[in-house]
Amino acid sequence: GDSVTQMEGPVTLSEEAFLTINCTYTATGYPSLFWYVQYPGEGLQLLLKATKADDKGSNKGFEATYRKETTSFHLEKGSVQVSDSAVYFCAAGFQKLVFGTGTRLLVSP
Amino acid sequence: SQTIHQWPATLVQPVGSPLSLECTVEGTSNPNLYWYRQAAGRGLQLLFYSVGIGQISSEVPQNLSASRPQDRQFILSSKKLLLSDSGFYLCAWSRGIRGYEQFFGPGTRLTVL
Repeated sequence: GDSVTQMEGPVTLSEEAFLTINCTYTATGYPSLFWYVQYPGEGLQLLLKATKADDKGSNKGFEATYRKETTSFHLEKGSVQVSDSAVYFCAAGFQKLVFGTGTRLLVSP
Repeated sequence: SQTIHQWPATLVQPVGSPLSLECTVEGTSNPNLYWYRQAAGRGLQLLFYSVGIGQISSEVPQNLSASRPQDRQFILSSKKLLLSDSGFYLCAWSRGIRGYEQFFGPGTRLTVL
């Protein structure tokens, strides 16, 4: 079946550091790809998306590019802030989405 | 704009008691609706999804059930709760074939004692 694999966390960074969270997927066809963010005690918020190969999704300084050849959708941000501390989920699919297990990001001042 | 509501926000129930969690969506029509469970420190497990009134697909066999009595209302139920039913329950909606991104509600924290 379809699956999404994310890097294990937590990822601990200092403010203004560069962030990469790896995500790879296995799926039939070319699914839509998503990154969601979850703050403590809240639901998931859509961060960005890409619907076809080579699409780049971006939002709030975060970026991810749909790489068909490597079946990847890595999340990047050039300079993280303390407020970016949260759990990040990668997801893939069509009407039903498959989610990764989440990666916790901790950013210290 | 669209909004999604869940209630209650938190719930503490004894083992063997019934459960009813409600989810409603405003500002859209004929959404796809989803119920997920998130165990502590874990990813999301899809429990049920619905593409229309009265149409429910179950993803995981368990003692939970779902119903969709109205277009924008989705209910998660149980006749007898188990300890293992504790978790964070999330409802989500999507536009279906017009866009696959899902939008999540604030969640219900369920503790079964």
